[in-house]
Amino acid sequence: EPEVTQTPSHQVTQMGQEVILRCVPISNHLYFYWYRQILGQKVEFLVSFYNNEISEKSEIFDDQFSVERPDGSNFTLKIRSTKLEDSAMYFCASREEMSNQPQHFGDGTRLSIL
Amino acid sequence: DAKTTQPPSMDCAEGRAANLPCNHSTISGNEYVYWYRQIHSQGPQYIIHGLKNNETNEMASLIITEDRKSSTLILPHATLRDTAVYYCIVRKTGTASKLTFGTGTRLQVTL
Repeated sequence: EPEVTQTPSHQVTQMGQEVILRCVPISNHLYFYWYRQILGQKVEFLVSFYNNEISEKSEIFDDQFSVERPDGSNFTLKIRSTKLEDSAMYFCASREEMSNQPQHFGDGTRLSIL
Repeated sequence: DAKTTQPPSMDCAEGRAANLPCNHSTISGNEYVYWYRQIHSQGPQYIIHGLKNNETNEMASLIITEDRKSSTLILPHATLRDTAVYYCIVRKTGTASKLTFGTGTRLQVTL
């Protein structure tokens, strides 16, 4: 069964450094999402992306964050200057075009900021 | 999106049916009910979704009341591997609609 894949599984970065999290969505999906989950807290929406532009973003998704679909298969989340509070699990999800179809999630990248 | 209410935790004996309830009394006509689960810190796993009819797939059944104000996820024969946090989420259809996760129900399946 096709799945969303995320790399790396664990990223350790010094505070203030830039980090790029990578996702390969399911191949025929057209909607892409990033969520995050701080340890012990709820899964929170960050951003949705369709047709090469951001559809919606949350308050968390400030100017330090950006997303890109650099080619036909990858979807990336960049954090420009990481902060300690960016430490979390980051999940990528994708969805088919039909609006009632479910989002499918990857297994996440654990981001640890030192 | 409509808010959902779930019990914080439930226990179920292995081999028995697990019935997980969800209240969504403010659901509107164009909102679907989705169920996901999360095992440890893995990514949320899609289980099933529905609008107003009952649904069944290889993982579970979804029973939605006629007024659509509540639903029940049924795992017919729970195993230890079904121990997880289960999320009931109501989402509008249309465009890129995000999922809003609550705290879910922590299901513990025991021997």
